[in-house]
Amino acid sequence: AQTVTQSQPEMSVQEAETVTLSCTYDTSESDYYLFWYKQPPSRQMILVIRQEAYKQQNATENRFSVNFQKAAKSFSLKISDSQLGDAAMYFCAYRRYNAGNMLTFGGGTRLMVKP
Amino acid sequence: DTEVTQTPKHLVMGMTNKKSLKCEQHMGHRAMYWYKQKAKKPPELMFVYSYEKLSINESVPSRFSPECPNSSLLNLHLHALQPEDSALYLCASSTQDSSSYEQYFGPGTRLTVT
Repeated sequence: AQTVTQSQPEMSVQEAETVTLSCTYDTSESDYYLFWYKQPPSRQMILVIRQEAYKQQNATENRFSVNFQKAAKSFSLKISDSQLGDAAMYFCAYRRYNAGNMLTFGGGTRLMVKP
Repeated sequence: DTEVTQTPKHLVMGMTNKKSLKCEQHMGHRAMYWYKQKAKKPPELMFVYSYEKLSINESVPSRFSPECPNSSLLNLHLHALQPEDSALYLCASSTQDSSSYEQYFGPGTRLTVT
């Protein structure tokens, strides 16, 4: 079975600074997807960024980028120029490539942004 | 329209009550999901419907009864719940395309069992 681990229960960052959230996973599969989801307080969970395991290039979405290390089974999220609206729970998630659409979530990291 | 809606937003019910949670999407998605989420924890998958048929039941107690009346609607019927069932219940939907990747989540129903 796949497992996803987020070792940082809480992180804080100063507004406009950069922060990196860590995620490691365990799988015997070679093809899979990795995701970062954001859940603001009392708001909907939304997809921040995704990475296909077969792609070597790290995904980037505006201020959000990932450092995908397939051999190390590591998938960290970097948030640049942090904004107050980035404050949220962030969940790393794994999905097998051809096994339906079931997600395995990590335990989450609560990100606080200080003005 | 990339929205998943859920009603009600909040629900307080006694242990002998019967209530239902509703979820709706109009994105043409043929997979729909129920999750249970406790505070500061990740969502836990409860049920998956694929083409209106129950495809996954993650050993959920029978006091939770899902229903998918059509491709846009998903219900969760609740009966004889326990206080430990108090949680945020999230609905999500996605395509059935194996190359697709995104689940769209609703805002959730905050359930309190007294």
